[in-house]
Amino acid sequence: ETGVTQTPRHLVMGMTNKKSLKCEQHLGHNAMYWYKQSAKKPLELMFVYNFKEQTENNSVPSRFSPECPNSSHLFLHLHTLQPEDSALYLCASSQLPGGESTDTQYFGPGTRLTVL
Amino acid sequence: RKEVEQDPGPFNVPEGATVAFNCTYSNSASQSFFWYRQDCRKEPKLLMSVYSSGNEDGRFTAQLNRASQYISLLIRDSKLSDSATYLCVVRRTGANNLFFGTGTRLTVIP
Repeated sequence: ETGVTQTPRHLVMGMTNKKSLKCEQHLGHNAMYWYKQSAKKPLELMFVYNFKEQTENNSVPSRFSPECPNSSHLFLHLHTLQPEDSALYLCASSQLPGGESTDTQYFGPGTRLTVL
Repeated sequence: RKEVEQDPGPFNVPEGATVAFNCTYSNSASQSFFWYRQDCRKEPKLLMSVYSSGNEDGRFTAQLNRASQYISLLIRDSKLSDSATYLCVVRRTGANNLFFGTGTRLTVIP
């Protein structure tokens, strides 16, 4: 399935590096999301964009900086990360909620990030 | 209190068994409910939405009890390929962000 793609799939970076994660959705959706999944924890919502406008920042540290240039693309810019930021970063997209069956979120394969 | 609570398991069941997972949610304003499946080192994928009247999709049956704020998933005739983590997910009224449980790990044994 190629509805939501993410690159890179794996990333190893030092604490002083700057890198970016990319997400692209081919589903015609108007909302995009960044989630973090750490071991033994539930998925944590980081950011929400509706019609490319950020509507939620879930108390995420400023070392994570999202960018949404259009409704199909979403970036997560990373700088001066900490080892505890190592996790699987998942992008998702959906239509905005309009009924029970229209707001399903579809996830990309994720970027597995390791911070040394 | 966590937004969504699930028994993490693991559940180890033989092929052909019936297994049930339960989930509770804390916010009565929750509007949409889902079960997602996540395979090891893969992304979550929607298994089924959960409707107020309950719904069935092949071997899978989902139930919702709004009064008790409780969601269940029943898997009949378990297959080896059902081995995965099952995530209970809710969305509040007026919001489009989802709240995930920690997931319940299922292993189906030959």
